Amino acid sequence: QTVVTQEPSLTVSPGGTVTLTCASSTGAVTSGYYPNWFQQKPGQAPRALIYSTSNKHSWTPARFSGSLLGGKAALTLSGVQPEDEAEYYCLLYYGGAQERVFGGGTKLTVL
Amino acid sequence: QVQLVQSGAEVKKPGSSVKVSCKASGGTFSSYAISWVRQAPGQGLEWMGRIIPILGIANYAQKFQGRVTITADKSTSTAYMELSSLRSEDTAVYYCARDLRVRDIVAQGYYYYMDVWGKGTTVTVSS
Repeated sequence: QTVVTQEPSLTVSPGGTVTLTCASSTGAVTSGYYPNWFQQKPGQAPRALIYSTSNKHSWTPARFSGSLLGGKAALTLSGVQPEDEAEYYCLLYYGGAQERVFGGGTKLTVL
Repeated sequence: QVQLVQSGAEVKKPGSSVKVSCKASGGTFSSYAISWVRQAPGQGLEWMGRIIPILGIANYAQKFQGRVTITADKSTSTAYMELSSLRSEDTAVYYCARDLRVRDIVAQGYYYYMDVWGKGTTVTVSS
């Protein structure tokens, strides 16, 4: 069974920069896993932020960026705002993009 | 723009089945897939499966094989997720999401993403 691993929690100061990562139990994450990132706040549905590694949706704030870093997918928040406090999930595609697996999520605290 | 409207909350007995609907409006239903994702209380997101309405083909996460059935009615732009043999661990919020594959002309590949989500349907399994 494929496992996608994220940091359980991270803390960042307002205005700071933080990088969240997403690893696959199958090996290095590449663009062929089409990494997606979502933000979820309590009581809300997930909101898509990044797709296919580094592409932003029209509503994604400029301070969010996606990349590949050391064999993992990464989400970087630069100039963190208080409203960025949320749970962040990565999603990877497997099996010729037939299967999708979410990471366990990273709880980001802005303090 | 596309909106996904899900059916209301359900309370079910262990061993029974539940069928949740997801009605799409504002787009061409058959031009994309619908994925179902669930979230147990205090837990993370879990992909269950998806359907491509134009083909009527569904595929499922291994964990749910044999217990979940995803269907779509193109005439009403509605997707359905039916989960059988319910147990308490199936208590969760169930989301549908638009699941797209879009051609990347520059790189001659594809983009994959889930961009529009329903608000979720709470399913409670309790005796």
